[in-house]
Amino acid sequence: SQKIEQNSEALNIQEGKTATLTCNYTNYSPAYLQWYRQDPGRGPVFLLLIRENEKEKRKERLKVTFDTTLKQSLFHITASQPADSATYLCALHDYKLSFGAGTTVTVRA
Amino acid sequence: KAGVTQTPRYLIKTRGQQVTLSCSPISGHRSVSWYQQTPGQGLQFLFEYFSETQRNKGNFPGRFSGRQFSNSRSEMNVSTLELGDSALYLCASSLDSGGSYNEQFFGPGTRLTVL
Repeated sequence: SQKIEQNSEALNIQEGKTATLTCNYTNYSPAYLQWYRQDPGRGPVFLLLIRENEKEKRKERLKVTFDTTLKQSLFHITASQPADSATYLCALHDYKLSFGAGTTVTVRA
Repeated sequence: KAGVTQTPRYLIKTRGQQVTLSCSPISGHRSVSWYQQTPGQGLQFLFEYFSETQRNKGNFPGRFSGRQFSNSRSEMNVSTLELGDSALYLCASSLDSGGSYNEQFFGPGTRLTVL
């Protein structure tokens, strides 16, 4: 069966450090992968999209890698800030967007 | 540009009733997708509409249905409500069909509680 697994439910880090989130998938052959941020009580907000032929994508303090051999994407938040505290979701596209359960990041000041 | 709007924001119903939720996409967006979000199951795809036609459907029972109007506004309906239907229902719009490589713009959601 198809699965999308995000490494852990919660990640607590110190301000200024780098947060690294993992998204592993099985039985998918996605052409691309997206990452979203969700704050409590709100809908997800799109952050980054990376295609299967792209190894890495950056946007400001965010970096995403995509390894189709390992079937894994890594999402990095560098120089983290308390405002980065949220749940981060990875999503794969086959005929629809399928989401992982998310990783809740808490950045301590 | 106005974002995706969903009405109502909160809804309380009892088992056996039916409910209709509404979604207005971003102007110019023709694709509207619906998702159910619960703590146990996460975000799950319900269906997608494009140009008034259902293009894709997730694994939900027939009690869940939807439609899209000519102005791209969409409604979803849940009949014979069950306790397990309590969830946050999210609507997302995008420029193209199937989410493809276009980002999805989500609304704030409708929080449905079934008693």
